[in-house]
Amino acid sequence: DVKVTQSSRYLVKRTGEKVFLECVQDMDHENMFWYRQDPGLGLRLIYFSYDVKMKEKGDIPEGYSVSREKKERFSLILESASTNQTSMYLCASSLSTGGAVNEQFFGPGTRLTVL
Amino acid sequence: KQEVTQIPAALSVPEGENLVLNCSFTDSAIYNLQWFRQDPGKGLTSLLLIQSSQREQTSGRLNASLDKSSGRSTLYIAASQPGDSATYLCAAAYGNNRLAFGKGNQVVVIP
Repeated sequence: DVKVTQSSRYLVKRTGEKVFLECVQDMDHENMFWYRQDPGLGLRLIYFSYDVKMKEKGDIPEGYSVSREKKERFSLILESASTNQTSMYLCASSLSTGGAVNEQFFGPGTRLTVL
Repeated sequence: KQEVTQIPAALSVPEGENLVLNCSFTDSAIYNLQWFRQDPGKGLTSLLLIQSSQREQTSGRLNASLDKSSGRSTLYIAASQPGDSATYLCAAAYGNNRLAFGKGNQVVVIP
């Protein structure tokens, strides 16, 4: 079974804090993704990574950065958290097979509240 | 930009009825279409993936169809149960591993 885990289910931070959200997958997937999910807006892609140390901006990268030092781990960083970053954050991973677009597997999510 | 629509946003059905959930997408040049289930406050669970070359996929009581030419996919859940209550999302895959998500159908199955 594919397993994607996220470091926290719930997180409360203060405005201006630096926040790290961690995601780990155990299926040797090349691709990893960070999304945020907001009521009325659905899921939006923040960043994704297709290999170690490789990253690509998604639709809403402003205010976020990412790090992928090891294949199994993908971190989302909020350099200076703001209240508009209060959201549900979801990590996902998928296999990379040539030009195919493969099934994405999701973690349980981190509900982040920025006060 | 690929847009994915799921209407209605919410629906209720009596237990035992078949559920029919619709998903439409604007760009027919998709790689595949994926259906997910999401329980409140939780992550997404993958239900079915239909490749662009396929017309349907089945898993147990679930059946998903794909009509690329009309930009539509339908998820059927046979003989619905209260445990099927959840939000169902569809996502169309296009270039570079991007998924375009619908906003979901929130389903309540009434015992």
